Order: sequence, then structure tokens, then C-alpha cells
Amino acid sequence: DTEVTQTPKHLVMGMTNKKSLKCEQHMGHRAMYWYKQKAKKPPELMFVYSYEKLSINESVPSRFSPECPNSSLLNLHLHALQPEDSALYLCASSQQDLSGNTIYFGEGSWLTVV
Amino acid sequence: AQSVSQHNHHVILSEAASLELGCNYSYGGTVNLFWYVQYPGQHLQLLLKYFSGDPLVKGIKGFEAEFIKSKFSFNLRKPSVQWSDTAEYFCAVRRAGTALIFGKGTTLSVSS
Repeated sequence: DTEVTQTPKHLVMGMTNKKSLKCEQHMGHRAMYWYKQKAKKPPELMFVYSYEKLSINESVPSRFSPECPNSSLLNLHLHALQPEDSALYLCASSQQDLSGNTIYFGEGSWLTVV
Repeated sequence: AQSVSQHNHHVILSEAASLELGCNYSYGGTVNLFWYVQYPGQHLQLLLKYFSGDPLVKGIKGFEAEFIKSKFSFNLRKPSVQWSDTAEYFCAVRRAGTALIFGKGTTLSVSS
């Protein structure tokens, strides 16, 4: 079983709603990531946090707002999303944000925007 | 541009057949290589990884992969597939200072 825990597993939200996706890991990892995955497509990197600081933002629209309250938690705040934002959102972590570290993925949160 | 290519989009095999999924990358220099598997409706799981040393790496569930530096390849193999191997397989590559880059994935369907 994955040691990266994501909640909720499924979320349906309207285009005017504000919701959040949550991610937690207790492996002592200092790098955490948000990826977006559409059906039958590879995951696409959205954000990287390293030591609780945002280090990479892959030109993600501002309607997605990440937050890293502490080294174990990573949130993704959602506001005014579009139907095309419907996807599987994957949280991941690694010991550090270095190429020699394995990235471990959570089970994902299935988001549907209506 | 940096890229990871998976040659096969969809592979269909019968149980007990041998499997080889191709993966090529376009970077020079030191790379770290991964194969991830995603079973239907489930999360990405690490199958195996190569960082350095023996270019033939063994992973979980009987999978192995061979890193051939001269060919920029990291092909995944399994001698005898099972129905439960039906899944999406992603090759991924990472260089120092860069993010993990995934290939487009290969769908494996195994019939019993």
C-alpha cells in the first residue's frame, strides 16, 4: 500500500465552488509534488515543494493554489475550475527533490467539475 | 526537447507469453530511469528503477529491465505474463535538476 495518503478519493464540484484536495505522508520526505493525470495519459507535473517551499510551478493556472502547511502535508486549493480540469490529481513525495530519489505516488483524487 | 518515447501504445498478449516494452529517452549524461505500473482504477506503483551499477535491474512481480546506455534505452521485460499484469505501464526519466518526465504509456492487455 502507498504511504502517501490523499483525500478525498472522489470529488464532484461546480465551477463556482471552492474545494481542497489534501495529501499526507509520514515517510519523512522533504519533497512533495502535485501531478495531474487525464485518462490514458501520463501524469503531468503541476507543482513541486522542497522543504515546504514552492520550487516549481509548471505554469499552472491560478485557479489551482498549492499550500504546504508542514513537511508532512500538501494541499491543493481549487476555485473556479473548468470542466476540462476534471482529472485524477496525484500527490507524490520523495526524500528530497533530487534526481536520485524515487518518487512515490498516492492513490489520487478523482475530480469531476460540472 | 527532452522526451521519453514508449514505442508500443497497446500490447495484447495471451497468458504465458513473453513481454518486452520499449522505452527510449533523448538526454545525454547521467539519468535515473523508472518503470511505473498503474492497474485499472489504481495508483501509480514503482515496478523498478535504475540509478547506477548493474544495467539489468529486477523489480517486483517478476519484471526486469535492461539499461543500454549506447541505445538510450530502458526496456521492460517479463518472461511469462499473467492476466493480472493487465495495466498501463509508464517509463519515466529524470536528470539532475529536472522533473520526472513520463512517456505516454503502454496499455497491456493479457487474455486468459
